[in-house]
Amino acid sequence: EPEVTQTPSHQVTQMGQEVILRCVPISNHLYFYWYRQILGQKVEFLVSFYNNEISEKSEIFDDQFSVERPDGSNFTLKIRSTKLEDSAMYFCASSSQRGYEQYFGPGTRLTVT
Amino acid sequence: DAKTTQPTSMDCAEGRAANLPCNHSTISGNEYVYWYRQIHSQGPQYIIHGLKNNETNEMASLIITEDRKSSTLILPHATLRDTAVYYCIVRVADSGTYKYIFGTGTRLKVLA
Repeated sequence: EPEVTQTPSHQVTQMGQEVILRCVPISNHLYFYWYRQILGQKVEFLVSFYNNEISEKSEIFDDQFSVERPDGSNFTLKIRSTKLEDSAMYFCASSSQRGYEQYFGPGTRLTVT
Repeated sequence: DAKTTQPTSMDCAEGRAANLPCNHSTISGNEYVYWYRQIHSQGPQYIIHGLKNNETNEMASLIITEDRKSSTLILPHATLRDTAVYYCIVRVADSGTYKYIFGTGTRLKVLA
């Protein structure tokens, strides 16, 4: 069964450093999403992406964040200058059509020290 | 904010049916109800979704009331591996986007 994969599973970085979280969505999917979950809190929407453009972004997704689909398979989330409060699980998701169910990856745990 | 309300937690005996309720009284006519679950800190797992008719798949059944203001997810024979947080999500269609807004969900504990 096809699945969304994410790397790395755990990333530790120092405050102020740049990090790139990588995702490989399901191969025939066209819509891509990033969510995050701070420990013990709700899953929060960050951004949706389609046709090489951001479709929607939340208030969390400020200028420190960017997304990119650098090739036909990867979908990345970059945080330019990490802050302590960026520590969270980051989940990538994809769907075949805009209104269809989203399939989530296993997540990357980001720890900012 | 999430458009759904769910009980904070529930217990269910292994082998019995787990019935997880969800209220979504402000749901619009074209909005679907989705159910996901999250085991530990893993990525949310899709279970089932529906619009107005009852739905069944290999994982669960979804019963939606006629007025669509509430629904129930049924796991027919719960196992220990079904212990998870279950999220009921109304798909928010705002300006053509389809983000999920997660609530706090129901923490289901299946007891041996």
